[in-house]
Amino acid sequence: DTEVTQTPKHLVMGMTNKKSLKCEQHMGHRAMYWYKQKAKKPPELMFVYSYEKLSINESVPSRFSPECPNSSLLNLHLHALQPEDSALYLCASSHAGTLSQPQHFGDGTRLSIL
Amino acid sequence: AQKVTQAQTEISVVEKEDVTLDCVYETRDTTYYLFWYKQPPSGELVFLIRRNSFDEQNEISGRYSWNFQKSTSSFNFTITASQVVDSAVYFCALSAFHAGGTSYGKLTFGQGTILTVHP
Repeated sequence: DTEVTQTPKHLVMGMTNKKSLKCEQHMGHRAMYWYKQKAKKPPELMFVYSYEKLSINESVPSRFSPECPNSSLLNLHLHALQPEDSALYLCASSHAGTLSQPQHFGDGTRLSIL
Repeated sequence: AQKVTQAQTEISVVEKEDVTLDCVYETRDTTYYLFWYKQPPSGELVFLIRRNSFDEQNEISGRYSWNFQKSTSSFNFTITASQVVDSAVYFCALSAFHAGGTSYGKLTFGQGTILTVHP
C-alpha cells in the first residue's frame, strides 16, 4: 500500500467547474510536491512545499492553486481548466532540506477535462 | 544543465529473460544522486534505488541489480529472470544541487522505458 494517499483517484470536470485534489502523508515528511504527467511522458514538477511554505512554482498557470494546510496535507485547487490539463496528477513527499532523500509518490488522480 | 537519457523507449521480452535498462546522465555537479522508479499501470511511482555520486558499488536486490559507472555517466538497471509483474514504465532520475538552486532535491527524469514481459 502506498504511504501517500491521493483522492479522488479519478475526476471528470467541465471547464467551468471548481474542484480540489487532495494528498495526505503520515511519514513525517516536510517537503511535498505536485507533478503533472501526460501519457507516455515523465512527471513534470509543478509545485514544491517545504515546511508548509511554497518554495517552488514551476511557472504553473494560476488556474492551478496549491495549498498546504499542515505538514501532512497538500491540496491542489482547480478552476477553469482547459482540455490540455487532462493528465495524471501525482503527489509526492520526502524529507526536506536534502538532495538525497527519495520522493515517495501516491497513486495519482486521473483528471479529465470535458 | 542536468539531463537524463533513457535511449530505450520500449523493450519487449519473454518471461525468464534477463533485461537491462540503460540510463545515461549529465551534470556539472560533483555531488548528485541517481534514482530508479517503477511505474506500473496503476500510476504510482515506486522508488527502487538511490545511489550517490561517491559510491560506485554495484548493488543487487533479489532479481534486480544496478551498475553505476561514473566514467561513462551511466546507471544501468538489470532485471534477471524477468516476470510478467515486472511490466511497467521505468524512470531513471537525477537529483543535483544546481538542478533547482536549492536543496529540496528537484528530480530530473529520463523519458522512461516501457518494459513489457510476455508470459
